[in-house]
This record gives sequence, C-alpha cells and structure tokens, in this order.
Amino acid sequence: QQQVKQSPQSLIVQKGGIPIINCAYENTAFDYFPWYQQFPGKGPALLIAIRPDVSEKKEGRFTISFNKSAKQFSLHIMDSQPGDSATYFCAASRGGNMLTFGGGTRLMVKP
Amino acid sequence: GAGVSQTPSNKVTEKGKYVELRCDPISGHTALYWYRQSLGQGPEFLIYFQGTGAADDSGLPNDRFFAVRPEGSVSTLKIQRTERGDSAVYLCASSLMAARNEQFFGPGTRLTVL
Repeated sequence: QQQVKQSPQSLIVQKGGIPIINCAYENTAFDYFPWYQQFPGKGPALLIAIRPDVSEKKEGRFTISFNKSAKQFSLHIMDSQPGDSATYFCAASRGGNMLTFGGGTRLMVKP
Repeated sequence: GAGVSQTPSNKVTEKGKYVELRCDPISGHTALYWYRQSLGQGPEFLIYFQGTGAADDSGLPNDRFFAVRPEGSVSTLKIQRTERGDSAVYLCASSLMAARNEQFFGPGTRLTVL
C-alpha cells in the first residue's frame, strides 16, 4: 500500500529551536522524497527534496535526514523563526509519478 | 517567470451542478498534476498528464470527475453532478517533465458545494 505516515500532527517550539518532523513510508519503490511548506490559503511550496542514495541533504536552515533501511526520513529546521510557522508535508513518489503525501504537521514558532 | 495559476480562486455551487476548474502550468512544463486537499489533510492525487494524454487517472474518485489538457498546456478539471463531499481545495501542480520529479503547485481553487 502506498502510504506515508507523518508525525507529529502539531508542534510548538520557541524561536531559535530546532523542530523535527518525521515521516515513514512503506513502498520501497519510492525514489524521491520532498518536503513542502504550506501557509493558510496558499498552495504547497517545495522546500527541499532527497533521493534514497544520500543520507542527508541541507539547504539553508532546512535539513533532510534519510534512513533507507528504516524507511524513514525527517525534516529539521535550524534556528527556527516565527515566519516558519506553517504546515509542513512530507511526500514520496516513484519515477516521477504522483506524490503521496503525509498528513501534515502544523508548526508554530513562538517569538 | 510566472508560477502555476488556477482559476477561479473560489467557487461556490449548488449540489447537482457542473463545475470547471482551470489550471495554467508554468510555461514549458510538460507534466501536469491535479490533487484534492480536504481541510486538515495532505493533498491526494487525482490525475496526471504528460503532454496531452492522461498518463495516470487512478486517483479520480468516480466517473463524475474528468480532466482534459487538449493542447498540452492548460488543463481543465470537470466535475459533474457535484456533491457536498466534493467540497475541498483543488490543487494543480506542474513539472518540467515527469522524470524531473519537482512539482510546483498553484494556489488552488476552493470549491464549496452547498
């Protein structure tokens, strides 16, 4: 079954903290794992993505850690800011086909 | 350049009516995807076009839903005999080509069926 499970559903951190959002997948054929950020009333915006041949990818304050054997990946946001408050979705796809999304994590960064 | 655009941004209709939702992908993007997002949930795949043809329509919930992309650019999602359960945000995404994976989303159309 093509399913991506995301946790936690919501997360509150103080400014400067490092929120961590976790995802687990079942389909070993998935070969592309992006993270999207969504603000209310807007479409999801691509943040960062990773392929299973690397264990970590960093872009600015955002880092993806990938554990192929455990079929898990996570998003870390360094030095979080109130402007990072949004809903974050992990996703997975195979061969450029449709994205299968997790259920989302609502992040609040307190000033 | 311009991103993915979707019109209308909001659509309110009555149960049983027909609606059309439009998506303009990023210029030059050959792959186009439709997703549906219910409140508090992640987007769910509906249909995917590579060029003019539907490469995968396995996500369409039933035969009331149909999408076209006649010239390989603009796409229209059509919903017949709308039901209250169709209320959701309909998202469109495009990709340079399917093999590139990166999908860029539009702002969505919020459909409300009364």
